[in-house]
Amino acid sequence: AQTVTQSQPEMSVQEAETVTLSCTYDTSESDYYLFWYKQPPSRQMILVIRQEAYKQQNATENRFSVNFQKAAKSFSLKISDSQLGDAAMYFCAYRSASMDSNYQLIWGAGTKLIIKP
Amino acid sequence: DGGITQSPKYLFRKEGQNVTLSCEQNLNHDAMYWYRQDPGQGLRLIYYSQIVNDFQKGDIAEGYSVSREKKESFPLTVTSAQKNPTAFYLCASSPQGRGSGYTFGSGTRLTVV
Repeated sequence: AQTVTQSQPEMSVQEAETVTLSCTYDTSESDYYLFWYKQPPSRQMILVIRQEAYKQQNATENRFSVNFQKAAKSFSLKISDSQLGDAAMYFCAYRSASMDSNYQLIWGAGTKLIIKP
Repeated sequence: DGGITQSPKYLFRKEGQNVTLSCEQNLNHDAMYWYRQDPGQGLRLIYYSQIVNDFQKGDIAEGYSVSREKKESFPLTVTSAQKNPTAFYLCASSPQGRGSGYTFGSGTRLTVV
């Protein structure tokens, strides 16, 4: 079974600086999708960024980018120019491309990001 | 705008009561999911449904029940058999496309009084 590990329970960064959140996963599959979700204090889950495993190019969404290392099974999230509004829990998730998985998301435990003004 | 609506935002339950949490989506998504989140914790899957009139248990289904009579609706009932129901409950939906992420509702905070 696939697993997702976020080894940093909490991270802090100074406003306007760059921070990287780590995520590793375990799978024997070659076709899958990876996601980062943000959960701010409002507790609404928001999709931040999505990566397709068969694409070598790292996904980017404005100040958010990923470093996808397929061989190392690593999927880190980089937030540039951190803003106070980036303070949230960040969850990494894996979704198999296999129909046998029912396409469910497998979730990491989350990393709490604190932004220091 | 399309989205998922969860209601109520806050719900209080007395000991021994059943309560139902509502989840409605107008995204035309086939799949719907219920998650439980405890303070400082990640998401745990309660139930999911991929098509109308069909649903499967997730990791922590005991003490919960669901129905899927319409594509748009996936209500969750927290029964008196659930001994520790105080938590935050999130509903999500997704299309059946392989690479689709989930769209989430804003959640319901359930407290036992």
